[in-house]
Amino acid sequence: DTAVSQTPKYLVTQMGNDKSIKCEQNLGHDTMYWYKQDSKKFLKIMFSYNNKELIINETVPNRFSPKSPDKAHLNLHINSLELGDSAVYFCASTTGYEQFFGPGTRLTVL
Amino acid sequence: GENVEQHPSTLSVQEGDSAVIKCTYSDSASNYFPWYKQELGKGPQLIIDIRSNVGEKKDQRIAVTLNKTAKHFSLHITETQPEDSAVYFCAASKWPNDYKLSFGAGTTVTVRA
Repeated sequence: DTAVSQTPKYLVTQMGNDKSIKCEQNLGHDTMYWYKQDSKKFLKIMFSYNNKELIINETVPNRFSPKSPDKAHLNLHINSLELGDSAVYFCASTTGYEQFFGPGTRLTVL
Repeated sequence: GENVEQHPSTLSVQEGDSAVIKCTYSDSASNYFPWYKQELGKGPQLIIDIRSNVGEKKDQRIAVTLNKTAKHFSLHITETQPEDSAVYFCAASKWPNDYKLSFGAGTTVTVRA
């Protein structure tokens, strides 16, 4: 049973397109996150939701919009994709302390 | 906000030797310090953590030490094995007062057979 799952695993798209990444966790956690990992492996937090409420919104372009339809799901929609958006995006969840990460979505913008 | 610095950025060790990774943090209110291991093509996974009321914690070949006064903490891996090769991240947070986990920049560890 996968604890935190993400779809798709790979995403290749053209500049200017709009794309979405989906995340689901079956751990019963209240808090979920989106992270961006760049080519130098740095993990940068983007957003966090607690019980469907946005609690962390880091300095991220407005083109990125998270949506949490319910406690188990956190999706990320990106408008007008740019070259600099190419990265691996990780979803994570927690009930406190330990964060459980998904396998990541590698986004490549051409 | 919290700033976590991690050194070294790369570490190459001979199989069987020890590896040490060091991190410093800036916010004295931070109280939770986890270490994550990220293998190639996978998400980070917690390997050990320590809370501010503890100075040292050990789990088989890995140990973490915390010096609250100096605001630094370290990961020690003994008897390294090829499967220890990965990227290791330290992090700090002020859970439950703050849901944010601030990560260090990562250390790429290579264990030479």
